[in-house]
Amino acid sequence: DAGVTQSPTHLIKTRGQHVTLRCSPISGHKSVSWYQQVLGQGPQFIFQYYEKEERGRGNFPDRFSARQFPNYSSELNVNALLLGDSALYLCASSLGQGRGGYTFGSGTRLTVV
Amino acid sequence: EDQVTQSPEALRLQEGESSSLNCSYTVSGLRGLFWYRQDPGKGPEFLFTLYSAGEEKEKERLKATLTKKESFLHITAPKPEDSATYLCAVQAGQAGTALIFGKGTTLSVSS
Repeated sequence: DAGVTQSPTHLIKTRGQHVTLRCSPISGHKSVSWYQQVLGQGPQFIFQYYEKEERGRGNFPDRFSARQFPNYSSELNVNALLLGDSALYLCASSLGQGRGGYTFGSGTRLTVV
Repeated sequence: EDQVTQSPEALRLQEGESSSLNCSYTVSGLRGLFWYRQDPGKGPEFLFTLYSAGEEKEKERLKATLTKKESFLHITAPKPEDSATYLCAVQAGQAGTALIFGKGTTLSVSS
């Protein structure tokens, strides 16, 4: 079985630009969560979606948004990029709102210059 | 405010030298405590979930335990391939289903 798939793996953007990151969960998993991990820190929660509805939001500005599609895949969008947005963005899938634990993808490394 | 603190930040061991990593937490209504292993540039890899004080789980050279205030990850006779960052996370209270992570402990095992 395929694990959690994230694309792209690496991305370089310029300050002020917009970025879209994508995530495909494990087959059968209906919940997707997004985390930001800055170098040397633990992952920080951004969003959780379950059955295409937002079920949780972390302490991030409105420049961050996300959505979940009917096939349970998800997109994370970040507008007006800042240098501080440079991080590893992780997607985690679960059966339903944490039930059965969370499986993480390998992440997207975003560098803002 | 829910909080997770891991110690030490970094740990260097010789191959075969057993030790423990600590994860202390302050949360309202613990729903689960998770241990993950993370290699450089990769996503966290699930190790264990613990739900109640007194619970223990084992996998190869790793054993996780849980009390009401902290969790320990015991590493017995580590090998160089155990070198990684070990992350602790809790799912609790008002945070709902979000995981709250500590900063991690970076373990280096030399032969």
